[in-house]
Amino acid sequence: GENVEQHPSTLSVQEGDSAVIKCTYSDSASNYFPWYKQELGKRPQLIIDIRSNVGEKKDQRIAVTLNKTAKHFSLHITETQPEDSAVYFCAASRGANDMRFGAGTRLTVKP
Amino acid sequence: DSGVTQTPKHLITATGQRVTLRCSPRSGDLSVYWYQQSLDQGLQFLIQYYNGEERAKGNILERFSAQQFPDLHSELNLSSLELGDSALYFCASSAGDYARSEQFFGPGTRLTVL
Repeated sequence: GENVEQHPSTLSVQEGDSAVIKCTYSDSASNYFPWYKQELGKRPQLIIDIRSNVGEKKDQRIAVTLNKTAKHFSLHITETQPEDSAVYFCAASRGANDMRFGAGTRLTVKP
Repeated sequence: DSGVTQTPKHLITATGQRVTLRCSPRSGDLSVYWYQQSLDQGLQFLIQYYNGEERAKGNILERFSAQQFPDLHSELNLSSLELGDSALYFCASSAGDYARSEQFFGPGTRLTVL
């Protein structure tokens, strides 16, 4: 089955700096790659996703890039703010089936 | 609010017992997914149902089972509980087709096994 690896496990940045989280996947048939943000004690919430027919997607301060050949994708957060502090999970799946998550990255944005 | 509901919110029980967790998906969603999240751990995929049928299986123990009913709600049954089963159990739902793959998570059920 799919195996998703996520790095780093923890990331600390100064407010205003950029943060980058990287994931690799093993199943070349995976075609859907979402990113979830989970604040302490809350449910994971989708923040951005990308499909395999697209190389990059942006939504305000958040962007995701996908390299299908290398089987990796990344989350980029620019101009970080303290409220961006959370655990971020990447995931990979074949369409709506069998989604596998990375182990998570705990992002801390220091004011 | 994602539209996915889970009951109960908290559950405290003893080792060896059996519990049932319930999930109601968003209106119109056909797929239901179950995940286990232990303390400071990631999301472990357990099982997926689509329109009443099992579609994918992850790291689900034999002591655990699930089903999806005709009204599309789902139940996760955990039996012969062990201390290590203490975790947050999330249910998520999606439309279930490629074009609408996004999963929406419920608030979770926190299970404590004493």
